[in-house]
Amino acid sequence: QVQLQESGPGLVKPSQTLSLTCTVSGGSISSGHYYWSWIRQAPGKGLEWIGYIYYRGSSFYNPSLKSRVTISVDTSKNQFSLMLTSVTAADTAIYYCAGEYYYDSSGHANWFDPWGQGSLVTVS
Amino acid sequence: SYGLAQPPSVSVSPGQTASITCSGDKLGDKYSFWYQQRPGQSPVLVIYQDNKRPSGIPERFSGSNSGNTATLTISGTQPIDEADYYCQAWDSRIAVFGGGTKLTVL
Repeated sequence: QVQLQESGPGLVKPSQTLSLTCTVSGGSISSGHYYWSWIRQAPGKGLEWIGYIYYRGSSFYNPSLKSRVTISVDTSKNQFSLMLTSVTAADTAIYYCAGEYYYDSSGHANWFDPWGQGSLVTVS
Repeated sequence: SYGLAQPPSVSVSPGQTASITCSGDKLGDKYSFWYQQRPGQSPVLVIYQDNKRPSGIPERFSGSNSGNTATLTISGTQPIDEADYYCQAWDSRIAVFGGGTKLTVL
């Protein structure tokens, strides 16, 4: 079964760029079965969807973060990555990578499973 | 932008039925999804496409969706079910999550 693992710095200075990588194991990132997604959760708060990338390189972002977010994919390493620029304390959160299971092309029937264990990033 | 509203907290006695609601404009016209998040852990999918259970999720978890409200029902609630529960739907390919409901089993 597909498993995900986040990695990256746990501390980022304000105004700098947050960078995280998600390594996919147990399956190929190019299988076409998933949109590869990032979701975050501020301390004590709810879940916020950041965006996704498909293995072919197409991506889509939450409009609230779109100007600062880039998600990329490296099929040779079975990894996908998140970059968030100009961070502030409000970007402090646990960042999860997740697989959005591709049920059909509408996208409205897809679900998030599996999830990584999460990576806490503090902006300070 | 589209929003989903959940009650902040729900309490239930062990063995009883817990119902957690999720409200959104014409939510019944969309698919709803539910995730369980135990303290310190990642979210886990418990219901997809309104009422389907992934393999490994106990039968006591069920879901429904009609009108403006989706409901997660846990029958015969067990202490292990104490967790935060989040509903989710899609709005033009944007994933929208509810604010979460803390289920207390006492």
